[in-house]
Amino acid sequence: DTGVSQDPRHKITKRGQNVTFRCDPISEHNRLYWYRQTLGQGPEFLTYFQNEAQLEKSRLLSDRFSAERPKGSFSTLEIQRTEQGDSAMYLCASSLGMTGISGNTIYFGEGSWLTVV
Amino acid sequence: AQKVTQAQTEISVVEKEDVTLDCVYETRDTTYYLFWYKQPPSGELVFLIRRNSFDEQNEISGRYSWNFQKSTSSFNFTITASQVVDSAVYFCALSEDGTGGFKTIFGAGTRLFVKA
Repeated sequence: DTGVSQDPRHKITKRGQNVTFRCDPISEHNRLYWYRQTLGQGPEFLTYFQNEAQLEKSRLLSDRFSAERPKGSFSTLEIQRTEQGDSAMYLCASSLGMTGISGNTIYFGEGSWLTVV
Repeated sequence: AQKVTQAQTEISVVEKEDVTLDCVYETRDTTYYLFWYKQPPSGELVFLIRRNSFDEQNEISGRYSWNFQKSTSSFNFTITASQVVDSAVYFCALSEDGTGGFKTIFGAGTRLFVKA
């Protein structure tokens, strides 16, 4: 399977702990995105990378959140000092990263569910 | 500013009924792309279809069909002869050209229940 993969799929953590999620995009895609989804809502954009460069960050991404894509392949999203409000599904997606119909289509992974207790 | 509205929060139908999911969008761009995604209980968002703003032809794929009308800024999705496996949350999304996808925004979703 060459789709977007995420790990772990589920994470339960105590408030105040740090958590890290990993995403492996579709191999030929040079853009990688992180979205957050809470119950009853659509995905909300957090940040994206063009290769290894982080080009855009949403205001939703507080300073407790950091994302990296060191070699332009996989990415990690770390949440420090987790809070109960961080409980959500964190979705990774990738795209070809060019304008036009193909580049504007993003493909998602299965998501990583975070529960902060 | 971009906006996607899915006014139907939940729809419940009986198997074999037809169902239409509504989507209304707002954008100032003349070139943009519209999408539908399906999110089954497993959580993964599955890409179903994309349309560009210059192609208003309706599309049919098996039991799925899409009606794009620029005059009303709508991109509605119809499932014909619904099946239990169609039960999921469906999201409509909008992406403006020139963004390579990163400004794709999603509606709040419509949860479809198909009862046997």
